[in-house]
Amino acid sequence: AQTVTQSQPEMSVQEAETVTLSCTYDTSESDYYLFWYKQPPSRQMILVIRQEAYKQQNATENRFSVNFQKAAKSFSLKISDSQLGDAAMYFCAYRRPGQFYFGTGTSLTVIP
Amino acid sequence: DTGVSQDPRHKITKRGQNVTFRCDPISEHNRLYWYRQTLGQGPEFLTYFQNEAQLEKSRLLSDRFSAERPKGSFSTLEIQRTEQGDSAMYLCASSSRAGSDTQYFGPGTRLTVL
Repeated sequence: AQTVTQSQPEMSVQEAETVTLSCTYDTSESDYYLFWYKQPPSRQMILVIRQEAYKQQNATENRFSVNFQKAAKSFSLKISDSQLGDAAMYFCAYRRPGQFYFGTGTSLTVIP
Repeated sequence: DTGVSQDPRHKITKRGQNVTFRCDPISEHNRLYWYRQTLGQGPEFLTYFQNEAQLEKSRLLSDRFSAERPKGSFSTLEIQRTEQGDSAMYLCASSSRAGSDTQYFGPGTRLTVL
């Protein structure tokens, strides 16, 4: 079975600082995709970043980057220079064809 | 590209009633997904369409739930004989066939069953 685990229900970070959100997953597949989605309060889910499992290079999108450790089945999200607008629920997701699995989320608070 | 839209945004119904939700995906996307999200949880996969074909359906989905995508464009999700446990946010997402199948989510329909 494929499962996604986010072990940090809540995290906080000072504005302009860096924070890392953790995610682990369980799979027997070799070809899959991983995603981080952001869900602000009462707003819709937005894609933050994605990673193809066959790529060794970690994905980066502006202030957002991932640390993808395939052997360890770990996929953490690093947010640099945190901004107030980064406050949201963050979900890690795993995808193989036709199936998506989401973690339970990490609620990020940004302290001014 | 107007994004994924869902209608209605909120629905309050009495236990035992039937409800139907609509999802309009991004126009060039041929894949459409339905999820259910309860408070404090991540989205839970319900079902998946590629064009008009329903290719995957969660085993957690009871027979009271049915989804259609008759022309491969918009989709409807119907819940029959609603129960209080059906209260949740119902999310729709769409993606294109190419690449990583990145999903773009709609705003959701919040269902409250009294």
